[in-house]
Amino acid sequence: DAGVTQSPTHLIKTRGQQVTLRCSPKSGHDTVSWYQQALGQGPQFIFQYYEEEERQRGNFPDRFSGHQFPNYSSELNVNALLLGDSALYLCASSLALGRNSPLHFGNGTRLTVT
Amino acid sequence: RKEVEQDPGPFNVPEGATVAFNCTYSNSASQSFFWYRQDCRKEPKLLMSVYSSGNEDGRFTAQLNRASQYISLLIRDSKLSDSATYLCVVTSYNQGGKLIFGQGTELSVKP
Repeated sequence: DAGVTQSPTHLIKTRGQQVTLRCSPKSGHDTVSWYQQALGQGPQFIFQYYEEEERQRGNFPDRFSGHQFPNYSSELNVNALLLGDSALYLCASSLALGRNSPLHFGNGTRLTVT
Repeated sequence: RKEVEQDPGPFNVPEGATVAFNCTYSNSASQSFFWYRQDCRKEPKLLMSVYSSGNEDGRFTAQLNRASQYISLLIRDSKLSDSATYLCVVTSYNQGGKLIFGQGTELSVKP
């Protein structure tokens, strides 16, 4: 039973570029959430997808956008990258939106913006 | 004020010590509470849920005080393998169940 998988594991981009991160949820899960974790900080909620729609959003600018596909996998897109976007991006999946369902995290994508 | 605040770390303790982590949350509508563990450069993993009556899992004990909006985690007989960052997490249904993480408290257990 595959857990949450993310790709790529590491990425280096230049300021102003765009990046797409990918996530496949744990088998049987239908909800995907994305988190940004800066060094020395706890993960910060970006947004959550359920039934291919963004259901919740944290305090992130419109440069951060996402998508969920019919197979429940998800993408996180970041446009016009800033140095401050350098962080570990975590994808988490769960079952059923809004219920007390434990999150399962992927290993994350470490993004470095130079 | 941050929604979830934890003791600043790091905590450096000898093997066998008892260590306690504290956490406060600001949203009185918060309904579910967790402790996650995160090893260096790894993803967070659920350590335990926290219930109003308090709960214990081996050497780990979690307590919740809703009136004071306070959560704690006690680790007894610390092991070297307990070295990690411990994240306090809250969620509420009026926030769609999204997890709000504290900044984490780093624990280093020394021989």
